[in-house]
Amino acid sequence: DGGITQSPKYLFRKEGQNVTLSCEQNLNHDAMYWYRQDPGQGLRLIYYSQIVNDFQKGDIAEGYSVSREKKESFPLTVTSAQKNPTAFYLCASSTVLNQPQHFGDGTRLSIL
Amino acid sequence: AQSVAQPEDQVNVAEGNPLTVKCTYSVSGNPYLFWYVQYPNRGLQFLLKYITGDNLVKGSYGFEAEFNKSQTSFHLKKPSALVSDSALYFCAVRDEGGQGGSYIPTFGRGTSLIVHP
Repeated sequence: DGGITQSPKYLFRKEGQNVTLSCEQNLNHDAMYWYRQDPGQGLRLIYYSQIVNDFQKGDIAEGYSVSREKKESFPLTVTSAQKNPTAFYLCASSTVLNQPQHFGDGTRLSIL
Repeated sequence: AQSVAQPEDQVNVAEGNPLTVKCTYSVSGNPYLFWYVQYPNRGLQFLLKYITGDNLVKGSYGFEAEFNKSQTSFHLKKPSALVSDSALYFCAVRDEGGQGGSYIPTFGRGTSLIVHP
């Protein structure tokens, strides 16, 4: 079955540490996205990529970084500069046009 | 700028009764509209979309939504609610022309639907 796989499901970060969240899709979608979800705030866009080796900042990119070296993969690094990283992180993908996004099952990041 | 509002944080309904989850939007051109559902600790699942055509859109799990251009609304409905429909529901909108050249949708804050037995 085609879909999006996020790993790990739960992740803990120590002070001053960078952590990387994995996102892999086998849907052959060109576009991929990272969202942050906090209670009562809906989804906020961190980064998105429309094509390999290209990505754009979303609304809350500070303290995060991404790469898009392969069409299937769009990892997100939460750096030590992100002072409030505790949240549920969702990865999504879509075709370019008017189609809905497909979402992974998320990674919950907490601070130790 | 494109925006979407879900005016209710929570909707309560008895099992077997009809349900409505409200969504209003604002775009400069024609809208592409989507509804998603999220169960606890899971990602969002697509329910239905409106791109063009019939104002009443039918989707998964018996849900439907009515597009109303004059009221800029896209309310989600179901004739008979089930306890298993209890979840978080998100409305999303995208301008047909693409805001600033992108096609990134804007999501509402979500509405928690609670169906009581």
